[in-house]
Amino acid sequence: GDQVKQSPSALSLQEGTNSALRCNFSIATTTVQWFLQNPRGSLMNLFYLVPGTKENGRLKSTFNSKESYSTLHIRDAQLEDSGTYFCAAPNVGDNSKLIWGLGTSLVVNP
Amino acid sequence: GPKVLQIPSHQIIDMGQMVTLNCDPVSNHLYFYWYKQILGQQMEFLVNFYNGKVMEKSKLFKDQFSVERPDGSYFTLKIQPTALEDSAVYFCASSQGQGANTGQLYFGEGSKLTVL
Repeated sequence: GDQVKQSPSALSLQEGTNSALRCNFSIATTTVQWFLQNPRGSLMNLFYLVPGTKENGRLKSTFNSKESYSTLHIRDAQLEDSGTYFCAAPNVGDNSKLIWGLGTSLVVNP
Repeated sequence: GPKVLQIPSHQIIDMGQMVTLNCDPVSNHLYFYWYKQILGQQMEFLVNFYNGKVMEKSKLFKDQFSVERPDGSYFTLKIQPTALEDSAVYFCASSQGQGANTGQLYFGEGSKLTVL
């Protein structure tokens, strides 16, 4: 968890509100992936990013490689957004394996 | 999006037995991976596999572990013999390549292994 640090570690949101999750890297990396692990344990791909921004529905993610961080914004949170959000990135020069953060556990309350 | 299928979703076995976890990767992908997640903990890289060979493995990939993909069929992780500490969820992943444009990993839903 030191090479890829996620914050906050846990978050509780009211339905309909917005929030941002963050991932800080102490490794040099050129890509980042964001995943959602639902309460049943299944992993869902959210974003694969080179430096820049992508948007998908109520989710938006930015990767700033120069400042070594990535953010995931959730707009209008819904109950089904609950789960654990992971970011992961490969160390530059070793694209063969992803280094994972410890995750942000999100609970969306009605 | 592209799907990686894993079979079984859950297996319970006695310590010392052999287990094979099966993965059907995305059809045009060339790189295959196994990751291990102990309940509530970090996802850890085990091994990656390309062109019929192990390319890199971590220290978690013990001598009792082996991987293969005979003739383009399932990509398998075999553990023989199993130990209690092998209880975890094992995730298979695949990618088309390892560059910026091709390196996105797609994960299966995991195979939960319980060793008694």
